[in-house]
Amino acid sequence: GDSVTQMEGPVTLSEEAFLTINCTYTATGYPSLFWYVQYPGEGLQLLLKATKADDKGSNKGFEATYRKETTSFHLEKGSVQVSDSAVYFCALIVTGANSKLTFGKGITLSVRP
Amino acid sequence: DTGVSQDPRHKITKRGQNVTFRCDPISEHNRLYWYRQTLGQGPEFLTYFQNEAQLEKSRLLSDRFSAERPKGSFSTLEIQRTEQGDSAMYLCASSPGTFEAFFGQGTRLTVV
Repeated sequence: GDSVTQMEGPVTLSEEAFLTINCTYTATGYPSLFWYVQYPGEGLQLLLKATKADDKGSNKGFEATYRKETTSFHLEKGSVQVSDSAVYFCALIVTGANSKLTFGKGITLSVRP
Repeated sequence: DTGVSQDPRHKITKRGQNVTFRCDPISEHNRLYWYRQTLGQGPEFLTYFQNEAQLEKSRLLSDRFSAERPKGSFSTLEIQRTEQGDSAMYLCASSPGTFEAFFGQGTRLTVV
């Protein structure tokens, strides 16, 4: 079946530090890849997406590149802010009639001032 | 606010009781999903509707769980004879049929 593996957390960084959150996947077909973010007390929000190999998704200074050869979709940000503190989920969809998201376990990011 | 709305936000129930949750999707979104999220885990798929038709159910959805989406608008998720293992956050999401799913804030169920 489809699955997503995220690096173990939590992650604590100082403001302006560089962020990398690893994500790898296995899929039964050709997936689209996503990063969702959950801020404290809020629902899941789509952060960025990529629908085919070598696509780069970007939003709010975050980037992730769809690497088919390594089945990865690592999330990066050059300079994190305190407001980036949240839980980050990597997810995939294999397009089909009943497309549904398959999520990783999530990782909690805390950014210190 | 025109986002996905879930009610109630929190529910505490005694083991063995029945509970029902409601989800109001974004207007005109034809797809509606229910997920369950436990502490330290990502959301797990439970079931999916396209309009009023329930097209897929996860094996996680035992016969104590039932979901409906009458008239293709709001949806309800009922859990009968609740067990402590049902304690979780229940998430609803809707989609216009594109890749993006819009999530509600969830209903946190605690079974005591």
